[in-house]
Amino acid sequence: DGGITQSPKYLFRKEGQNVTLSCEQNLNHDAMYWYRQDPGQGLRLIYYSQIVNDFQKGDIAEGYSVSREKKESFPLTVTSAQKNPTAFYLCASRNEGGTEAFFGQGTRLTVV
Amino acid sequence: QKEVEQNSGPLSVPEGAIASLNCTYSDRVSQSFFWYRQYSGKSPELIMSIYSNGDKEDGRFTAQLNKASQYVSLLIRDSQPSDSATYLCAVNIWRAAGNKLTFGGGTRVLVKP
Repeated sequence: DGGITQSPKYLFRKEGQNVTLSCEQNLNHDAMYWYRQDPGQGLRLIYYSQIVNDFQKGDIAEGYSVSREKKESFPLTVTSAQKNPTAFYLCASRNEGGTEAFFGQGTRLTVV
Repeated sequence: QKEVEQNSGPLSVPEGAIASLNCTYSDRVSQSFFWYRQYSGKSPELIMSIYSNGDKEDGRFTAQLNKASQYVSLLIRDSQPSDSATYLCAVNIWRAAGNKLTFGGGTRVLVKP
């Protein structure tokens, strides 16, 4: 069953802690993306990666970090430098050539 | 100026009517365009993709692209209560470092029975 898996579905973080959100895809897609969504808002691009061991900052990269060591995996770390991390985080993947992106089920992060 | 802009709505439409959604983008080298539907608390799902000027129809949905004017629109015919959702416009911009896929803020649509 091909798809994109994000885990965990819900995550709680204490202030000052780093947390890592997982994103795995078995679609053999080259490109992967991380977005943040706040209530009533659209998706804002955090980081994206076209190939292994390479990634680019999106529009709101401050306070986040990523790695792309394997084609199928693109984990996102929310660091303590991110002052307002409570949000819905979405991972997506797509083939080269600008075709449509497919999304995981999302991770809802809450700072407690 | 935002790269992709949409009217946030809500757009209230009677059941059976046509819902018309608009999206404008700022980068003239944008290549491909997508409409996604998102129900509350869920991830976006693709409705339509469009790559060249003109209209593209798929069932009750029609996407229209005008690159000269830098806008893309979505028409939903015979609107149903199940169409009530947020509709996200996405624009792909090619960069040497990779394709950047940028979303608008979304338009909330309410279909009233």
